[in-house]
Amino acid sequence: AQSVTQLDSHVSVSEGTPVLLRCNYSSSYSPSLFWYVQHPNKGLQLLLKYTSAATLVKGINGFEAEFKKSETSFHLTKPSAHMSDAAEYFCVVRGNQGGKLIFGQGTELSVKP
Amino acid sequence: GAVVSQHPSRVICKSGTSVKIECRSLDFQATTMFWYRQFPKKSLMLMATSNEGSKATYEQGVEKDKFLINHASLTLSTLTVTSAHPEDSSFYICSARDRGGAGLSGELFFGEGSRLTVL
Repeated sequence: AQSVTQLDSHVSVSEGTPVLLRCNYSSSYSPSLFWYVQHPNKGLQLLLKYTSAATLVKGINGFEAEFKKSETSFHLTKPSAHMSDAAEYFCVVRGNQGGKLIFGQGTELSVKP
Repeated sequence: GAVVSQHPSRVICKSGTSVKIECRSLDFQATTMFWYRQFPKKSLMLMATSNEGSKATYEQGVEKDKFLINHASLTLSTLTVTSAHPEDSSFYICSARDRGGAGLSGELFFGEGSRLTVL
């Protein structure tokens, strides 16, 4: 069965400093992995996705993630945080049954001025 | 990009009444739509998978008679919370898979969510 574990429930950074949101996955085959962002009382927006092409995936708003099979990780990074990045972030793996998405627990990102 | 619209965005109802939430794909056809429930400060919990023209597939522990799902067309799925109670209060989010995507790799697009409050 597929699963994802987000290692931090809350991350706080200062504006202009790097962002690192950690995610480990478990999958019996080559997974499809995603990062979604959710602002308060809003739906989800896709930041980026990995589907067995390049291991370094670039997304929107300056975010990127690197797929590391040896570490079963798919951490999300951004070189310089912006106040507008404050939101909830979900690491997601696509299940092998009907293509359902399996969500991590979420990481709340706070950005201090 | 593709847009998925949910309506209403917010609804308040009395205990015992039923509430219908609509999920529409505005510029693509969606053979499959998913309904999620999200509790405050929590992740999304998949409730059911809705396939156009057939019965929905419910996840374990989700009452199908309580949460009625209808996917009557390629652009519309509805979730009806029947005989709602305060514990049904939650944020409900739908997502739709673009039929144009190849098989399971069709991208999923999410609605803006619907906040249900049952008094």
